[in-house]
Amino acid sequence: NAGVMQNPRHLVRRRGQEARLRCSPMKGHSHVYWYRQLPEEGLKFMVYLQKENIIDESGMPKERFSAEFPKEGPSILRIQQVVRGDSAAYFCASSPTGYYAEAFFGQGTRLTVV
Amino acid sequence: SQQGEEDPQALSIQEGENATMNCSYKTSINNLQWYRQNSGRGLVHLILIRSNEREKHSGRLRVTLDTSKKSSSLLITASRAADTASYFCATDPDSGGGADGLTFGKGTHLIIQP
Repeated sequence: NAGVMQNPRHLVRRRGQEARLRCSPMKGHSHVYWYRQLPEEGLKFMVYLQKENIIDESGMPKERFSAEFPKEGPSILRIQQVVRGDSAAYFCASSPTGYYAEAFFGQGTRLTVV
Repeated sequence: SQQGEEDPQALSIQEGENATMNCSYKTSINNLQWYRQNSGRGLVHLILIRSNEREKHSGRLRVTLDTSKKSSSLLITASRAADTASYFCATDPDSGGGADGLTFGKGTHLIIQP
């Protein structure tokens, strides 16, 4: 059973471009969480999704950020018109039963905006 | 200040010594978790302690939780060079329908000197 897979591991985008980050949860996990880690800081919750539903997006910036978790395929975190301040590591976690269960984390995607 | 603050920010000890890290939080919680992050890697879940537990052990790890003081400690006994990493506490707040998702502190960077 492979762990939580995130790709790409590193992503470089110019200001104004779009960034798409993918997360494939562990087999059998239908709950996905996205977190952002700024340099020298801890993780910050962004969004919690179940298949085809956004359960809580209270940590998502109001503009330019969106997330989806379709019935088939990975969860996608999309950042439009990236700015330098979006440079961070983005981690995805999945769990089998929801929020209170132990979450398994992916290796993260490191986004650099130049 | 944010929920889940670790103390100290950095800790350097000799191999074989014990390492103690502390975490304080502000709101009532369902559980508290400790994670490890090796440089450039994703988070690894270490241990979860529920709000009705006071102490928990896992191998060389010992976690305590004092809900009256809203604090937790992580003790790593007989430290090894491989324990060098950043350690984060994460709280699962008892938010009664508020935002889902763990809240992380900024972490304690632990360096084990050989």
